[in-house]
Amino acid sequence: GDSVTQMEGPVTLSEEAFLTINCTYTATGYPSLFWYVQYPGEGLQLLLKATKADDKGSNKGFEATYRKETTSFHLEKGSVQVSDSAVYFCALSLNAGGTSYGKLTFGQGTILTVHP
Amino acid sequence: GAVVSQHPSWVICKSGTSVKIECRSLDFQATTMFWYRQFPKQSLMLMATSNEGSKATYEQGVEKDKFLINHASLTLSTLTVTSAHPEDSSFYICSAKGTGNTEAFFGQGTRLTVV
Repeated sequence: GDSVTQMEGPVTLSEEAFLTINCTYTATGYPSLFWYVQYPGEGLQLLLKATKADDKGSNKGFEATYRKETTSFHLEKGSVQVSDSAVYFCALSLNAGGTSYGKLTFGQGTILTVHP
Repeated sequence: GAVVSQHPSWVICKSGTSVKIECRSLDFQATTMFWYRQFPKQSLMLMATSNEGSKATYEQGVEKDKFLINHASLTLSTLTVTSAHPEDSSFYICSAKGTGNTEAFFGQGTRLTVV
């Protein structure tokens, strides 16, 4: 079946450090890929997405590139801030049509803590 | 973005009792709602998909008689865990999608502990 694997956390960084959270997937079709973020006490929010191979999603300084050859969608940020502390989830969707992303398969989440 | 409110945020109940969790879309009409469950250190797993006015579609391995889902209006879906047992203790989270949305918006989640 379809699955998503994220690097295990927690990840602890100092402010302005470089961030990478690895994500790899297994899917039977051609998935769309997502990163969601959950800040303390809040719901999951879509951070960025990519719908086809070689697409790069970006938002708030975060980037991830859809790599079909390595089945990966690693999340990166050049300089993290304390406010980036949250739980990050990688996910995929195989909904047909490519325009409706309700049904998601998630990774286990990675807790990121950024210290001043 | 659209707002989805989930209530309660956490609940503790005794084994054998039932617990109802609400998921509301506050500023849009949710034609489809999704319910997920997350066990500690594991992925969020989709439990079921519900469309307004229709019976929910459950994922393989999810007991529909134990996890009752109702989506009676375009702004509210409920998940009732019936005869809860300690193994049902988990984090439950909903998401909601309207016809005009390309993505689903998530609630804050509910931490259920059964003692």
